[in-house]
Amino acid sequence: GAGVSQSPSNKVTEKGKDVELRCDPISGHTALYWYRQRLGQGLEFLIYFQGNSAPDKSGLPSDRFSAERTGESVSTLTIQRTQQEDSAVYLCASTGTSGGWTDTQYFGPGTRLTVL
Amino acid sequence: AQSVAQPEDQVNVAEGNPLTVKCTYSVSGNPYLFWYVQYPNRGLQFLLKYITGDNLVKGSYGFEAEFNKSQTSFHLKKPSALVSDSALYFCAVRRSGSARQLTFGSGTQLTVLP
Repeated sequence: GAGVSQSPSNKVTEKGKDVELRCDPISGHTALYWYRQRLGQGLEFLIYFQGNSAPDKSGLPSDRFSAERTGESVSTLTIQRTQQEDSAVYLCASTGTSGGWTDTQYFGPGTRLTVL
Repeated sequence: AQSVAQPEDQVNVAEGNPLTVKCTYSVSGNPYLFWYVQYPNRGLQFLLKYITGDNLVKGSYGFEAEFNKSQTSFHLKKPSALVSDSALYFCAVRRSGSARQLTFGSGTQLTVLP
């Protein structure tokens, strides 16, 4: 597609439920990132995928968070046993084919997660 | 570790006046610096980046930013503000050779008054 897409745009769930958030990167982009943006704050890095390499999971806040990526396409972020502090906007970004340090990250519109 | 500071949570400027949104960073080694803008209920849009070369970087929508190594700053500027520039602005940094994710500042809300 023309840009990064994410679904759903909004998700309301009850505490303790599991949720899955989806990201479709720009076609051909090899690198994919997940970030979390809490209300009134900047973005926090969660996880990074680059091609077939092992993902960098250093930003995941707890073992309730996990993510997968199928090849160089779709990624799914899963939050198990959601807590109210998980409420945030979850943003996905992808970068160009070179995967270099200078690549620009292009962001999707985000998924707003609300945990009641 | 790397970090970014945006010292102003809110900046107000009159339409037609020049605007500046401040950003300072802390990294070891060479920094790669980025500015993004976020409109309500939308993702981040890329404005400009500094990688190397000329310290004055020009980007989208008439914005520019000046890299100042001695002051470790990367302030965003525009000569003449528009009401439509009102949005949330984020500065971000990545260090050459480090993990590839960006470290973001906390954001500055820019309001351009008509």
